[in-house]
Amino acid sequence: AAGVIQSPRHLIKEKRETATLKCYPIPRHDTVYWYQQGPGQDPQFLISFYEKMQSDKGSIPDRFSAQQFSDYHSELNMSSLELGDSALYFCASSPRSRGISYEQYFGPGTRLTVT
Amino acid sequence: AQTVTQSQPEMSVQEAETVTLSCTYDTSESDYYLFWYKQPPSRQMILVIRQEAYKQQNATENRFSVNFQKAAKSFSLKISDSQLGDAAMYFCAYQETSGSRLTFGEGTQLTVNP
Repeated sequence: AAGVIQSPRHLIKEKRETATLKCYPIPRHDTVYWYQQGPGQDPQFLISFYEKMQSDKGSIPDRFSAQQFSDYHSELNMSSLELGDSALYFCASSPRSRGISYEQYFGPGTRLTVT
Repeated sequence: AQTVTQSQPEMSVQEAETVTLSCTYDTSESDYYLFWYKQPPSRQMILVIRQEAYKQQNATENRFSVNFQKAAKSFSLKISDSQLGDAAMYFCAYQETSGSRLTFGEGTQLTVNP
């Protein structure tokens, strides 16, 4: 079965640089979520999209932006990178239907290291 | 805001034994969803089990079962016949409505001793 694809899997950037993380959801999944997991921490919700529109926003810095494209893939753009942005970034996808909770399928994550 | 608390940072169990991981949460909602996710050393997030708050029956998936106490806002995970492959970080998660964000607890690191 197809899974969520994230690229790149590993990324090393220097402070003040820009990074772009990509997420390709499972086919026919219309909702994409982004989470950030710092070292030794639980995943923290950043932002989500439903049918290409932002549906929810969490503790996402103003330096970060994201969007979902017509083919449902999503990109997380991170500018002016700081050392504290070093983390594992997960993308998850799910279908959506009123009153039914579908599993959020997580991708393998992108490990971002800021030096 | 909803909060999820896992009071056991670390737990250990002998292979083939049973272990219970605790989770409590805070919400004013009557309908919501609860999950247990497993994160092995590969860091992949894997769904273990889920529970809909409107269902009184506790969810079961093979060796994994939950004890859902809605009034107490408690959602514990029981792993029976523990296996070496069960060793991982376990996260309890809350979801307010279908399609909404997941709020995770701090996690419990489970060690399985041979």
